[in-house]
Amino acid sequence: QQPVQSPQAVILREGEDAVINCSSSKALYSVHWYRQKHGEAPVFLMILLKGGEQKGHEKISASFNEKKQQSSLYLTASQLSYSGTYFCGTAGAGSYQLTFGKGTKLSVIP
Amino acid sequence: GAGVSQSPSNKVTEKGKDVELRCDPISGHTALYWYRQSLGQGLEFLIYFQGNSAPDKSGLPSDRFSAERTGGSVSTLTIQRTQQEDSAVYLCASCLAGGRVSGELFFGEGSRLTVL
Repeated sequence: QQPVQSPQAVILREGEDAVINCSSSKALYSVHWYRQKHGEAPVFLMILLKGGEQKGHEKISASFNEKKQQSSLYLTASQLSYSGTYFCGTAGAGSYQLTFGKGTKLSVIP
Repeated sequence: GAGVSQSPSNKVTEKGKDVELRCDPISGHTALYWYRQSLGQGLEFLIYFQGNSAPDKSGLPSDRFSAERTGGSVSTLTIQRTQQEDSAVYLCASCLAGGRVSGELFFGEGSRLTVL
């Protein structure tokens, strides 16, 4: 079942922060975050395995609440290069399938 | 090459024709995925390969869609009797290890299919 992402779109000025949420109705083993720029392939940001860990990648970090089947991606002090569509992907235990949400379009303006 | 390679990058075909889309994964990657991306619909899972086997074909939308993988490497996605609703970007991704999805997927640039 497809995870639900929110918001669908967000516009930020450089330096502002944003949070993108991802929720699933099924028990999750892993949550993946990817960013896709227009006309390009999706690029891996990070993966979180069940255990409620938080990970960081430069000024981008994420958390995973396995009890709530939710993950959040935090972007701090946004840069123009952060613009793109962010996808969360979820996989259940024993599943081969990584199911992606519909994406969140992030636009960072000067 | 260093990354996942897909061909053709663009394909325009007439309704009813068959098309083949090719994916060359990163050398040594045992897991291979096909996704379809339509405008505003995110990434739709089609099929997963572990080596040459496809333990999960649940995402194939109809029996007009099939895929195979040979030599644990190249994969071909075939769409028979194409329909206009098949128009989309078809993305291939490979991963170093299979089993539970716990690793980074490396995506190709995709094959854009337009069915007239």
